[in-house]
Amino acid sequence: GNSVTQMEGPVTLSEEAFLTINCTYTATGYPSLFWYVQYPGEGLQLLLKATKADDKGSNKGFEATYRKETTSFHLEKGSVQVSDSAVYFCALSGRGSYIPTFGRGTSLIVHP
Amino acid sequence: GAGVSQTPSNKVTEKGKYVELRCDPISGHTALYWYRQSLGQGPEFLIYFQGTGAADDSGLPNDRFFAVRPEGSVSTLKIQRTERGDSAVYLCASSLTPSGGSYNEQFFGPGTRLTVL
Repeated sequence: GNSVTQMEGPVTLSEEAFLTINCTYTATGYPSLFWYVQYPGEGLQLLLKATKADDKGSNKGFEATYRKETTSFHLEKGSVQVSDSAVYFCALSGRGSYIPTFGRGTSLIVHP
Repeated sequence: GAGVSQTPSNKVTEKGKYVELRCDPISGHTALYWYRQSLGQGPEFLIYFQGTGAADDSGLPNDRFFAVRPEGSVSTLKIQRTERGDSAVYLCASSLTPSGGSYNEQFFGPGTRLTVL
């Protein structure tokens, strides 16, 4: 079946540091890949997505590239801000499925 | 416009009691989803409605869990004979009608935190 593995948190960084949160997946066929973000006290929000190999999703300075050869979709940001502190979830949706499979989430804490 | 809302935000109940959790989706969204999120885990799918009917209920853990959406808008998740293991955050999401195998963005509510004592 489908599964998503994320690096464990919390990830603690200083403001303006470079961020990488690793995500790898297992799926049959060619899934769509997503990053969701959950800010404190709020619901999950779609941050970015990629639907085919070598696609790069980007939003709010975050990027992730769909790497089929390594079955990865690592999230990166060049310079994090305190306001980026949140929990980040990697997810996939198999072709023809409307239901995403989520990873366990990675907490990011950014200090001033 | 308003997002997805869920009530109550917190619910504390005793083992064996019955609870109802409510979800108000975004107006015009025909698809509605329920998830359960345990501490330190990602959301786990429970059930998906397309309109009034449950298109996929494969994630419901057992027959104590039931959900309805009688008018194709508001949905209620019902849990009978609650157990301590049911304690979690229950999330609701809505989207436009998925079609052609494509993924329509799901918009999530803030969740209901259920604690079973």
